[in-house]
Formats: sequence, C-alpha cells, structure tokens
Amino acid sequence: SQTIHQWPATLVQPVGSPLSLECTVEGTSNPNLYWYRQAAGRGLQLLFYSVGIGQISSEVPQNLSASRPQDRQFILSSKKLLLSDSGFYLCAWSNIQTDTQYFGPGTRLTVL
Amino acid sequence: AQSVTQPDIHITVSEGASLELRCNYSYGATPYLFWYVQSPGQGLQLLLKYFSGDTLVQGIKGFEAEFKRSQSSFNLRKPSVHWSDAAEYFCAVVPTSGTYKYIFGTGTRLKVLA
Repeated sequence: SQTIHQWPATLVQPVGSPLSLECTVEGTSNPNLYWYRQAAGRGLQLLFYSVGIGQISSEVPQNLSASRPQDRQFILSSKKLLLSDSGFYLCAWSNIQTDTQYFGPGTRLTVL
Repeated sequence: AQSVTQPDIHITVSEGASLELRCNYSYGATPYLFWYVQSPGQGLQLLLKYFSGDTLVQGIKGFEAEFKRSQSSFNLRKPSVHWSDAAEYFCAVVPTSGTYKYIFGTGTRLKVLA
C-alpha cells in the first residue's frame, strides 16, 4: 500500500530564515505531487504541483519554491521566510490509476 | 470559472442525530467529486468519491453522499453522528480525469454535542 510522509511535523522559524519541508511517497511510482498551504481558518491553497522529476508548476507567486529531485520526493523551500508564510503545509500525491489525491499528515509552520 | 461552495461554515449537531453537509459546484459537465475529513492538526482523509455510475456513494466511517446532477450538488450524509465525527469536512471537485488542479470548498466545521 502507499504511504506519504512529511517532516518535520512542526517547525518554528524566525522571519528571514530559510525553510525546507520534505515530502516522500512510498508504494507507488511516478506520482503527481502537490504542495498546499492552509492558513488558520481558511481552506486549501494549491502552491505547487509536479508531474515528474524536475517538472514543477507554480500556482501562486510568492517567496516559496519547490523541487523534485527524485521520483517520490517533493521539497518546499524558501530563502527568507515571511510572517505570512505561517500555516499548515500539506503534501499530497495522486496517480493516473486512482485519479484521487491522498494527503500527508502535514507540517505546522510558525514564523515569528 | 469552476467553483465549489460549502454554504455552512459551522454546523452543530447532537450525538446520535443525523447529519447533512452541503456541497454545490459550478461546472458545465459532470466532474469527479470528493469528500475529505480533517481532524485538528491532521492531514485530509478521503471519505468517498464519485466518478460515475450509481449516484449514491458509500464511504468510510458510515458516510454516504448523493450526486444530484440537476442541482449540481454532492451532499454528504450520515444517519447517526458520533462524537468522533467532530472535524472539518471539505468537498472537492476535479473537472476532468487527469486534471491536476482540485478545486476545494472552504470547509464545514462540525461540532458534536454529547
């Protein structure tokens, strides 16, 4: 069966510091991968999605970036965090067989 | 533009009562439809999905949803709510197969009274 991991689970970072959040998927190959942000009391905002290694599509202009160095690894980064980057970050995967997105446990990011 | 509306931001029900969460979408054709549940501090868990066929879909945890094309709705129901059902519920729409962009509703937060 497929599983999706995210780490860290929680993170507290000062404004202006860098960020690296990691997502990995097991049990499937060539998945589509997604990064979402969920701000407090709000819905899900799609940040990036990837259909293959090195292929990243950005949905929202911001100071965040994403990379996919391996088939089942998706990384969300920032060079300098802003207060507005605080939120709950969710990674998800899907594939052509399921046509369904499955979510990871999330990372709670607090920028102070 | 395609959109998903969950008109109820908050719903409170008593344990053992029935539940219906509303979801309406705006799209010309029949999309793929999903319901997810999110407990506090957790990721989203898939409850059920509709692609085609029988318009009444059974999911996990005793939930079901009915697709009504004429009303562009996909409402989630449960005959008897348990305290553990307290969570936030999201409806999502995918316009066509292979589309990467899911359109999520803003969610309905369910509170269950003992």
